[in-house]
Amino acid sequence: DVKVTQSSRYLVKRTGEKVFLECVQDMDHENMFWYRQDPGLGLRLIYFSYDVKMKEKGDIPEGYSVSREKKERFSLILESASTNQTSMYLCASGTHRGTEAFFGQGTRLTVV
Amino acid sequence: GEDVEQSLFLSVREGDSSVINCTYTDSSSTYLYWYKQEPGAGLQLLTYIFSNMDMKQDQRLTVLLNKKDKHLSLRIADTQTGDSAIYFCADSTGGGNKLTFGTGTQLKVEL
Repeated sequence: DVKVTQSSRYLVKRTGEKVFLECVQDMDHENMFWYRQDPGLGLRLIYFSYDVKMKEKGDIPEGYSVSREKKERFSLILESASTNQTSMYLCASGTHRGTEAFFGQGTRLTVV
Repeated sequence: GEDVEQSLFLSVREGDSSVINCTYTDSSSTYLYWYKQEPGAGLQLLTYIFSNMDMKQDQRLTVLLNKKDKHLSLRIADTQTGDSAIYFCADSTGGGNKLTFGTGTQLKVEL
C-alpha cells in the first residue's frame, strides 16, 4: 500500500513563528503536492514538485515556501505564521504519468 | 482561472440513491475524479473517468460525464450510513495528478 505520512496531525503555533510541515512518501513517486483545505473553499494548491529540488507555485503560494531535497520528502514552510494560515494542510504524491494522487492524513494547524 | 463547483450539502435517507453534482470550466480536462474524505482523514480516490467516456460504473457507484455541459455526477446506489463523508470532484489536464478540486459536498445519510 502507498503510504503518505505527514509528521503531525495537530499543531498549534504562535503568530510570527517559522513553521515546518513535513511529508514523506514511500512509493518513489516523482510528484508531490501541498494543499490547504478550508470549509466552503475545498482544496487549494499551494506548491508542487515534479522532481528533487524542483518546485512550482500553485494557486495560493503567498506566505509559503517549500523544500524538496530528497525524492521522498516534501516540506512546507510558513516563514512567519499568521492567523489566516490556520487551516488543514494536506500532502499528496503520485507518479509522473499516474492518474491518482495519494493523500496523507492531514495536519490541522492552528496559529494563535 | 479554472473553476470546479459543487453544492455544499446533501441529505438522503439510508437505502435511497444519492446524486452529487459538479460543474467544471476547463474544456481541456483529461481526467475527472471523485474523492471521499471521512471525518479526520485524508482524501481517498473513489473513482475517475477519462474525458472521452460518458459513463463509468463500479459496484454502487455510477459516474456520468456530460462533456458538452461540463457536468459530472456521482450516483451512489443504496446509500448507507458509512457513506456519510465529504465528496470532492476534481479535474486534471494533460494526465498526471495535479488536481483542481471543487468545494466538496457534505453527504449526510439519515436513518
